Amino acid sequence: GAVVSQHPSWVICKSGTSVKIECRSLDFQATTMFWYRQFPKQSLMLMATSNEGSKATYEQGVEKDKFLINHASLTLSTLTVTSAHPEDSSFYICSAKGNYGYTFGSGTRLTVV
Amino acid sequence: GQQLNQSPQSMFIQEGEDVSMNCTSSSIFNTWLWYKQDPGEGPVLLIALYKAGELTSNGRLTAQFGITRKDSFLNISASIPSDVGIYFCAGQKSGNTGKLIFGQGTTLQVKP
Repeated sequence: GAVVSQHPSWVICKSGTSVKIECRSLDFQATTMFWYRQFPKQSLMLMATSNEGSKATYEQGVEKDKFLINHASLTLSTLTVTSAHPEDSSFYICSAKGNYGYTFGSGTRLTVV
Repeated sequence: GQQLNQSPQSMFIQEGEDVSMNCTSSSIFNTWLWYKQDPGEGPVLLIALYKAGELTSNGRLTAQFGITRKDSFLNISASIPSDVGIYFCAGQKSGNTGKLIFGQGTTLQVKP
């Protein structure tokens, strides 16, 4: 089956620092990867769509300079939260689209202190 | 962003009871997906629906793709404690770069 590995599973960082989250498709090639953000007791909100080798497409209201997405290969996409602030604390989830459909990572709990 | 209208928002039921939840939209979708999310985890696919009118089962779970392509429901029969979690519907539109739109989620609690 399709497996997506997301790391780290949780991270605590100081305000003003940057954090990188990795999303890897382990046994399939993902033509497209998606990044979501989820606040407690809320649904998944799409942040951006990334295709290998091209610039990510950001949803309205998502700051592209703050949430840097790199999709350098068909199996790896990264999300970097730059100059993190406490309001960026959230649960970030990636999803990879392949022949099996959509497979989600296990999420990253980011806490900015 | 756009979301699907999912209801109910939460359910508290007795073990053994059947559960039903649904999603509606004013737009047409080509694909309906149902996911379950446990605390601190990513969503896991339960059932995928690709055709209007399609009725698909996965064990005790049954889901249908509405004939109008604007709605879907998920039924869970004979609930057990491990069914506890948040259930999300998600839809994909044609030509939407493949992105999914999620419902608000249904939180299910099962009393043993």
